[in-house]
Amino acid sequence: QVQLVQSGAEVKKPGTSVKVSCKPSGYTFTKFDINWVRQAPGQGLEWMGWMGPHSGDTGYAQKFQGRVTMTRDTSISTAYMELSSLRSEDTAVYYCARLECADGICYLAYWGQGSLVTVSS
Amino acid sequence: SYELTQPPSVSVSPGQTASIFCTGDKLKTSYASWYQQKPGQSPVLVMYADDRRPSGVPERFSGSNSGNTATLTISGTQAIDEADYYCQAWDSSTIVVFGGGTKLTVL
Repeated sequence: QVQLVQSGAEVKKPGTSVKVSCKPSGYTFTKFDINWVRQAPGQGLEWMGWMGPHSGDTGYAQKFQGRVTMTRDTSISTAYMELSSLRSEDTAVYYCARLECADGICYLAYWGQGSLVTVSS
Repeated sequence: SYELTQPPSVSVSPGQTASIFCTGDKLKTSYASWYQQKPGQSPVLVMYADDRRPSGVPERFSGSNSGNTATLTISGTQAIDEADYYCQAWDSSTIVVFGGGTKLTVL
């Protein structure tokens, strides 16, 4: 079955960077785009961007342009999301999700368990 | 602020029908998806392409999209349906937009 396993919780200081990993299993890694979504405590879902594991192509939400980098390592079938210049407002659970598309219809079919990132001095 | 507008909360009695609305211009040109999220858990897809149920989602869940409003309907609502629900659409082919979420209370 499809699973996306993410890295564990992290505590970071303001101004530093965090890199969250997402390792899918149960399918061929390069066949489906990975999206990243975050959720601040008590808040809603916020889309951050996507990455195509086959090509390495990316697309980022305007809000995170210049601060986020999404990459992958196909040799170990793992996707990464790195967020830099962290501030307290970046404290959130970060999710990776597999995009599924058929006949031009796309949706986030599978989600990782989430990675809590706490930004605190 | 969110480009898709949802009511913050909806209450329903057990066995009754709950309707959660999602409004936004993006829905005029995009399919809607819906995600259910229970406390401490990851979101789960419960509806896609406006009205298609993923395998494993109970038949009491249905969806529609007309004009600029998408609707998730839960018929015969059960206590286990209590959760936050998020609508989602597309702004261009690759940009995801979410609604602010609706807390469904079954009481």
